[in-house]
Amino acid sequence: AQKVTQAQTEISVVEKEDVTLDCVYETRDTTYYLFWYKQPPSGELVFLIRRNSFDEQNEISGRYSWNFQKSTSSFNFTITASQVVDSAVYFCALRAPNFGNEKLTFGTGTRLTIIP
Amino acid sequence: DTAVSQTPKYLVTQMGNDKSIKCEQNLGHDTMYWYKQDSKKFLKIMFSYNNKELIINETVPNRFSPKSPDKAHLNLHINSLELGDSAVYFCASSLRGLAPSDTQYFGPGTRLTVL
Repeated sequence: AQKVTQAQTEISVVEKEDVTLDCVYETRDTTYYLFWYKQPPSGELVFLIRRNSFDEQNEISGRYSWNFQKSTSSFNFTITASQVVDSAVYFCALRAPNFGNEKLTFGTGTRLTIIP
Repeated sequence: DTAVSQTPKYLVTQMGNDKSIKCEQNLGHDTMYWYKQDSKKFLKIMFSYNNKELIINETVPNRFSPKSPDKAHLNLHINSLELGDSAVYFCASSLRGLAPSDTQYFGPGTRLTVL
């Protein structure tokens, strides 16, 4: 069975601070994919990043960076110099091969509030 | 142009009614999905169609019936609506769907409120 845990339900930081959102996953598969999605107050779900289990290089995109560590089954997301527009619920998700039944399993989300 | 679109965005209805939500994608993807997001923001897959064929059918009451007239459209019909059906319903699509590497792109969501 697959499971994604986002232990931080809510985080608040002051604008311009750095913040890290934690994601821990469980799967028996050796090949799998991890995703992060953003859900701003307007409600849509926005894809941020996809990472496969064989690529442990950290990824940086502007103020966003992701740290994937297989040893600890974690795929953490850091926002540097946070801005008010970063306020949203962030979801981590996992997908692994399952003979045609590959479901995307979501964590429960972390609500991030950036205080101006 | 919107990649994955849903109509309506808001739906308020009485218990016992039947309603439909429509979804369309213009990405040329083969696979489409319906997800339910409850009041605690938990997202769970309900159905998945690949090239009009049902491939994932989670434990969902049979009052929910998806229909895919073609691979660009996936509609969700709900009979005899109950209070517990109140949620946000998201449609999504992905290129192939059967590959776990495929990224799913989501529509804007439909907020269903059952009174």
